[in-house]
Parts: sequence; structure tokens; C-alpha cells
Amino acid sequence: GENVEQHPSTLSVQEGDSAVIKCTYSDSASNYFPWYKQELGKRPQLIIDIRSNVGEKKDQRIAVTLNKTAKHFSLHITETQPEDSAVYFCAATFNDMRFGAGTRLTVKP
Amino acid sequence: GAGVSQSPRYKVAKRGQDVALRCDPISGHVSLFWYQQALGQGPEFLTYFQNEAQLDKSGLPSDRFFAERPEGSVSTLKIQRTQQEDSAVYLCASSLDRGRRESEAFFGQGTRLTVV
Repeated sequence: GENVEQHPSTLSVQEGDSAVIKCTYSDSASNYFPWYKQELGKRPQLIIDIRSNVGEKKDQRIAVTLNKTAKHFSLHITETQPEDSAVYFCAATFNDMRFGAGTRLTVKP
Repeated sequence: GAGVSQSPRYKVAKRGQDVALRCDPISGHVSLFWYQQALGQGPEFLTYFQNEAQLDKSGLPSDRFFAERPEGSVSTLKIQRTQQEDSAVYLCASSLDRGRRESEAFFGQGTRLTVV
């Protein structure tokens, strides 16, 4: 089955700086790559996703890049704000959806 | 309802007790996923349904875990003879799909199971 690895496990940045989280996947058949944000005690919420026929997607301060050849994809958050502090999960999907272990992002004011 | 609903929100079970966790997906959603999330960890895949068909149950940790979705809507995750290591948040997610595998999955709020 699909195996997703996510790095780093924790990330601390100063407000206004950029944050980058990276994921690799094993199943070349995976074709959909969502990113979820989970705040403490709450359910994961989709923040951005990318499909296999696209190399990059941007939504305001958030962008995701995908390299299908290398089987890795990344989340980029620019101009970080304290409310961006949360745990972020990447996932890779073919038939089912498998998640990375998560990155705890802390944005210091 | 407007979103994925799970019940109960919290369950305390004595070791050895059987439990049943319910998931009401968004109406019309074809795919349904169950995950187990330990504290500070990512959601670990348990099983996946497409309508009433259980297409993948490779993530179920033991034969004490059983999931069903008999009418292609509500799903139940059953854990028999619960053990302390079963303590976790159990998340359910559903997605529309319509024959494609590229649809957003919406999560329920989870059931926090504590085995004492």
C-alpha cells in the first residue's frame, strides 16, 4: 500500500517568515494530494489540494508543488501568522487516502 | 446533516468490553474512510468503503476490529474485547467521488475512545 513520509515533525518560525513542509510517497499511481490543517481537539480541515496533472497550485498565502517523477510534494506558507499554528498533514490518494505523520507548526509573534 | 457526524463523541470502555462507533457521512458521498489517530500522530488508515463495498481493510490492526456499511450510508466500526492500546481518536471521513479518486474528504469530529 501507499506509504507517506512527512518532514519536519516540528517547525517553529517567526511571524512573517515562510514555512515549508515536505512529503514523499511511494505509490506512483497516487493522483491526488491534499493537505489538511488540524487545530488542537478539532477535526482535520482541507486547506489546499493538488492533482497529478498539475505541478503547482497557489491560494493566497498557501502554495503546493508536486514532483511526480521524484514522488514528492511540498506545502509553502508565506507571511506566516500566529493563527497558522497547528498540525499539518499531507496525504496521497489513489483508491484510499494515506496520511503523513504530521508537522506541528508554531508561529511565534 | 451538513457535515460528517460521529457518535459518541467520547467513549470510556473497560478492558475487554465491546464498543461500536458510528459514522454518518455527508448524504450522497460514495467513499467512506476510517482512521485511528493516537495523540500527537497522524491519522492511520483503517479501512475504506465505496458505497457498501469494503474495498480495503488492510489497516485494521487485528481481527478484533470490524467495520460495516450495509446500505452504503451509515458505517459502524466495532472493536471487540477492547485493549488499552485501542485508546485513540477514531476519525471518519467521506468524499463524493463520482467514480473519480480526486475528491475532497470531509472529516467528522471523531470519537475519543479511552480503554481503562
